[in-house]
Amino acid sequence: DQQVKQNSPSLSVQEGRISILNCDYTNSMFDYFLWYKKYPAEGPTFLISISSIKDKNEDGRFTVFLNKSAKHLSLHIVPSQPGDSAVYFCAASAGNFNKFYFGSGTKLNVKP
Amino acid sequence: GAGVSQSPSNKVTEKGKDVELRCDPISGHTALYWYRQSLGQGLEFLIYFQGNSAPDKSGLPSDRFSAERTGGSVSTLTIQRTQQEDSAVYLCASTGLSWNYGYTFGSGTRLTVV
Repeated sequence: DQQVKQNSPSLSVQEGRISILNCDYTNSMFDYFLWYKKYPAEGPTFLISISSIKDKNEDGRFTVFLNKSAKHLSLHIVPSQPGDSAVYFCAASAGNFNKFYFGSGTKLNVKP
Repeated sequence: GAGVSQSPSNKVTEKGKDVELRCDPISGHTALYWYRQSLGQGLEFLIYFQGNSAPDKSGLPSDRFSAERTGGSVSTLTIQRTQQEDSAVYLCASTGLSWNYGYTFGSGTRLTVV
């Protein structure tokens, strides 16, 4: 039973446009969320986080939005660059950092 | 070292054989995690070590899986009598006392059971 879901396995965006990656979760106890980026043959790298006390966190071209009532978060990348092409995972934790639940990932392709 | 190091990077084994996967975390990181990613799936939590505390083994899928962490540093994940469904990328991660930047993952071991 997947508690974190990324329903779009892939997304293709033109360079310079906005990329929006979505993530839904089922456990209302989740209170800390992470986004990771993964290139082929490499481990995931941390991108951005948000806690449930906020609804938005911004870091450069990356912004994460959290809608607690909808149990939905999204990652916006603007402007998208070809180097952003990777698999993006969202992850959630409930009350501690011992265990994160990960989605299945969305493969982003940014076309030059 | 500068990052989390995992070995081997690739392992092909015959069904029924035992395998050992190694993780060398970032020096000074007190917490170490094992996850795995099966084809088309998200990262699945396996086990968590924090300092000298008893590990959280709640994610291990069967008693064929075990892990240890010696001296609070290097960890070994052992899979006994491997099955084809064990084929996955096994990822190790570590973190220090600050959670500002999440886990640091290694590049993983791709295990293929034939």
